[in-house]
Amino acid sequence: KAGVTQTPRYLIKTRGQQVTLSCSPISGHRSVSWYQQTPGQGLQFLFEYFSETQRNKGNFPGRFSGRQFSNSRSEMNVSTLELGDSALYLCASSGQEGGYSPLHFGNGTRLTVT
Amino acid sequence: AQSVTQLGSHVSVSEGALVLLRCNYSSSVPPYLFWYVQYPNQGLQLLLKYTTGATLVKGINGFEAEFKKSETSFHLTKPSAHMSDAAEYFCAVSDSGTGGGNKLTFGTGTQLKVEL
Repeated sequence: KAGVTQTPRYLIKTRGQQVTLSCSPISGHRSVSWYQQTPGQGLQFLFEYFSETQRNKGNFPGRFSGRQFSNSRSEMNVSTLELGDSALYLCASSGQEGGYSPLHFGNGTRLTVT
Repeated sequence: AQSVTQLGSHVSVSEGALVLLRCNYSSSVPPYLFWYVQYPNQGLQLLLKYTTGATLVKGINGFEAEFKKSETSFHLTKPSAHMSDAAEYFCAVSDSGTGGGNKLTFGTGTQLKVEL
């Protein structure tokens, strides 16, 4: 089975621009989560989607949004980029409901905002 | 909300020595606990998980962890370190419970260095 695929791997954007990141989960997985990883804040939960519905949301401003399509693929959008948005964005999928289910992570998208 | 604390942001061991990475959790409900490893420029890979049942959990690459409720700990160990174990390790607790979705709260990570 193919793993979680995130595209692109690297992005460089300018302050004020917007960006869209893409994630394809493991085949059959319906839950997709997004995390932001920075040296200062560590790994922080952004949101989770399950069957096209947002099920959990972290403490991020409204500039961060996401969606999930009927094939479980997910996109994350960040508008009006700020320097502090520079981070590794990780997508994870899960094949089961419930907190006992492990997450399977992609290799991330490294976003640099200049 | 649940939380985890990883003691020691950097741990250095000699090749062949015992690896011990510490994790303490705080949870208002029976916790689901995980250890993940991250190699440079990669995502997180699951090492092992504790949900219910046996408190000593065995994972991949020779790692294991013991759930100790009385100490609220879930320390990760490996009897003999290998150079390939050098990576960053994250302890995580499920922060959503059964039926509440998949959300993990991570510790701040421990960078493991293995020296010859």
